[in-house]
Amino acid sequence: GESVGLHLPTLSVQEGDNSIINCAYSNSASDYFIWYKQESGKGPQFIIDIRSNMDKRQGQRVTVLLNKTVKHLSLQIAATQPGDSAVYFCAENSGGSNYKLTFGKGTLLTVNP
Amino acid sequence: EAGVTQFPSHSVIEKGQTVTLRCDPISGHDNLYWYRRVMGKEIKFLLHFVKESKQDESGMPNNRFLAERTGGTYSTLKVQPAELEDSGVYFCASSQMTVLDSPLHFGNGTRLTVT
Repeated sequence: GESVGLHLPTLSVQEGDNSIINCAYSNSASDYFIWYKQESGKGPQFIIDIRSNMDKRQGQRVTVLLNKTVKHLSLQIAATQPGDSAVYFCAENSGGSNYKLTFGKGTLLTVNP
Repeated sequence: EAGVTQFPSHSVIEKGQTVTLRCDPISGHDNLYWYRRVMGKEIKFLLHFVKESKQDESGMPNNRFLAERTGGTYSTLKVQPAELEDSGVYFCASSQMTVLDSPLHFGNGTRLTVT
């Protein structure tokens, strides 16, 4: 159904702490998931992805966890820095599509120095 | 490599007017997408081109929206006549292959305000 409310979920952390951003995806047929970072005035930027045959994938300072049983995705950012402040979106390939992405609502991460 | 570029970056128009947004994808990317984010909500798919052909326009809200990609290079998205609920940020993205094989590269968006 259509989302309601204009307010993004927010997460405020201290510089150097670890951040965990959560996302519930909607379609059990989706088999590819991506996290995007969107800074003010810019478009979404790819961070990390994971396929459904994995439950964890690590990048540089970021880790994505996938729990298909409960259709949950999380992004962990280690040693969060002020430059990590942005809106983070999860996305799924809509029902297994090769081209179409369905995005989550987004979470605003604020890193306090 | 130049990224996806969108023009204009901002547009303020009155209800009933027409606006045309332009997107230049990354050179060589056959796949071009339009997405939009309305009122701080989710980013939603509008349509997908492969070269000059519309592959999927299931996300287009209504017939006031017209997207074209003549020649398979840049794309335009025209809104005519614009309504208040069309306000939001319109993103264009491109990819070389499927989203599973190559990441989407997004432009910085066009912020449309309809008053």
